[in-house]
Amino acid sequence: AQKITQTQPGMFVQEKEAVTLDCTYDTSDPSYGLFWYKQPSSGEMIFLIYQGSYDQQNATEGRYSLNFQKARKSANLVISASQLGDSAMYFCAMREPDSWGKLQFGAGTQVVVTP
Amino acid sequence: DTAVSQTPKYLVTQMGNDKSIKCEQNLGHDTMYWYKQDSKKFLKIMFSYNNKELIINETVPNRFSPKSPDKAHLNLHINSLELGDSAVYFCASSASDLAKNIQYFGAGTRLSVL
Repeated sequence: AQKITQTQPGMFVQEKEAVTLDCTYDTSDPSYGLFWYKQPSSGEMIFLIYQGSYDQQNATEGRYSLNFQKARKSANLVISASQLGDSAMYFCAMREPDSWGKLQFGAGTQVVVTP
Repeated sequence: DTAVSQTPKYLVTQMGNDKSIKCEQNLGHDTMYWYKQDSKKFLKIMFSYNNKELIINETVPNRFSPKSPDKAHLNLHINSLELGDSAVYFCASSASDLAKNIQYFGAGTRLSVL
């Protein structure tokens, strides 16, 4: 069963606007980690942001923030002030305990930033 | 200085051939991984090594054999290549003793089997 769900296959956003990428996850473990990665058209996978299940505050890294709603099992990525260089595929991933670090990825959301 | 480097970046080969992909990390990490990204961009783990020991071996054909000569290197050898092996293969590494255990990825190897 799919453990990470990204329901938005693609979206357009105007430059300088904020965009929210949805991610829901499924686990019965109380301890887990959530990650977002960016894959530009050049193909590399770039780590963006991490949220631990016990973290009290939502994670932020520069223009990236994670809207973590534990009860709803959602970990949405918010990109503020979008730039043309933000055009990429974005993947949400989860790591469960006792999984030897294995990341389970969602299907990804393709973001296109327009001028 | 590239943290996780994979070679080659592109690999085009015929069905039935044997090929290898190499991965090296200079981050001092103790755990390395191989992921496969299919044509629909879906990423799935294949293998993981911790301190040269195999710790994850997902349902992968026996034609795929990883080898880790030391903590900084993890290679992937593929025998008798098939059309369905065409994909992008990513190497990643992490420090398993850290709470976040963030995985850092290489640039990927795009394998095309003709």
